[in-house]
Amino acid sequence: DQQVKQNSPSLSVQEGRISILNCDYTNSMFDYFLWYKKYPAEGPTFLISISSIKDKNEDGRFTVFLNKSAKHLSLHIVPSQPGDSAVYFCAACGDSGYALNFGKGTSLLVTP
Amino acid sequence: DAMVIQNPRYQVTQFGKPVTLSCSQTLNHNVMYWYQQKSSQAPKLLFHYYDKDFNNEADTPDNFQSRRPNTSFCFLDIRSPGLGDAAMYLCATSVAFGSRGQPQHFGDGTRLSIL
Repeated sequence: DQQVKQNSPSLSVQEGRISILNCDYTNSMFDYFLWYKKYPAEGPTFLISISSIKDKNEDGRFTVFLNKSAKHLSLHIVPSQPGDSAVYFCAACGDSGYALNFGKGTSLLVTP
Repeated sequence: DAMVIQNPRYQVTQFGKPVTLSCSQTLNHNVMYWYQQKSSQAPKLLFHYYDKDFNNEADTPDNFQSRRPNTSFCFLDIRSPGLGDAAMYLCATSVAFGSRGQPQHFGDGTRLSIL
C-alpha cells in the first residue's frame, strides 16, 4: 500500500526554467517530509525537508511547499540546471520519528 | 570524508545460496537502516538498528536477517535468496531520533542478482 505517491515518473524541463516535482500522501499522521536526489549508480542524497508546522521551506534554488489539507507537497527548482538531472524521491515520516516512506521517484531531465 | 560504504557494489548469488551484504559508516551515527529497492519501485525499509537494538519492519520476510557487531558496521544476511529478492539494497544511517525526520545518509547500494 503506497502511502507516498509520485504520479509523474518523468519530467523534462529546459535549462533556466522552473522544475516542479509533485508528491501526494495518504497518511495524515505524516508530519515530516523530505526530498532526496539520486544520480545513477549512487545512493540517494538528502536535498531539503519540511515540517508539517510550516508550509514552505527554501534552500537556494530549491523550495518545498506543503499543503496539508490537500496532503500534497511539491519541490520547485529555479532556475533548473543540467546538473539537476536525476531521480527525485519524496519521503514522509510519521509517528515512528524515523521510518521513511518513499515515493517511487520522478526522473527529471534538464535540457540545455 | 565521512561516509556510508557498501560492499560489494554488485553481488551475484545462486538461488538458495546464503549471501551477506555489508555496510560501514564513518559518521558515527546511532541508527543504521537497510532498504530494499526493486526496479522502478520506492525504497522499502526492511529493518533498522538503534545502537544495538534491532527493529524489524512487520512485513520483512524471515529470510532477511541483520547483524550489527559495532557502531560502524552492519550486515544484511539473506538466508535462502529467491528470484524475487533480486534488487538494490541500500544502507543508510542517521543520528539518534532526538528530533523528528532526521535526514538519512545513504550508501551507493549493492545490486543483488540471483541466478
